[in-house]
Amino acid sequence: GQQVMQIPQYQHVQEGEDFTTYCNSSTTLSNIQWYKQRPGGHPVFLIQLVKSGEVKKQKRLTFQFGEAKKNSSLHITATQTTDVGTYFCAGDPGTYKYIFGTGTRLKVLA
Amino acid sequence: DAMVIQNPRYQVTQFGKPVTLSCSQTLNHNVMYWYQQKSSQAPKLLFHYYDKDFNNEADTPDNFQSRRPNTSFCFLDIRSPGLGDAAMYLCATSREPSYEQYFGPGTRLTVT
Repeated sequence: GQQVMQIPQYQHVQEGEDFTTYCNSSTTLSNIQWYKQRPGGHPVFLIQLVKSGEVKKQKRLTFQFGEAKKNSSLHITATQTTDVGTYFCAGDPGTYKYIFGTGTRLKVLA
Repeated sequence: DAMVIQNPRYQVTQFGKPVTLSCSQTLNHNVMYWYQQKSSQAPKLLFHYYDKDFNNEADTPDNFQSRRPNTSFCFLDIRSPGLGDAAMYLCATSREPSYEQYFGPGTRLTVT
């Protein structure tokens, strides 16, 4: 079946270091969304990417959609303790339903 | 504030005893989703409603049913909960399919 994998599964960084999570789909996606889930919380929408090669920025966060629309990345510059949580990508393979990636759990050490 | 509300936040049920979880929204969104999220795993889509049209995922057990009596409310019924059904159940809404999803706080289900 269709799968969306993320690497790494876990990442510990020192506050101020950069962080990147990668999302890879087994099938071409029509669009991809990114969510953040704080410990004990629910997923919160961050962004949606639709176009091949699209890059979007939100303050310290940079999101990229691959040219083949099968992969995506989220890069955080100069992490802060408020960035702690699990980051999920969620891909739509054209079915108008989203398959969530396996998630990357980020811990930021002060 | 417009939002997605789930009740109860915590639910304990006995093995085999039917349970109903509820979700309401004030966003007037057309789409409502139910996800199951087990510890340290990704949310897994169980089913969704687009307006009144029900869409079941192929691997959702028959034990799980849903109702959407009106735009604002959606229910998840688990007819005979097993120990493996213990999880966080998340309701989400979106204005249209492929739009951003707004998640409720979830209901944590414990099966004893």
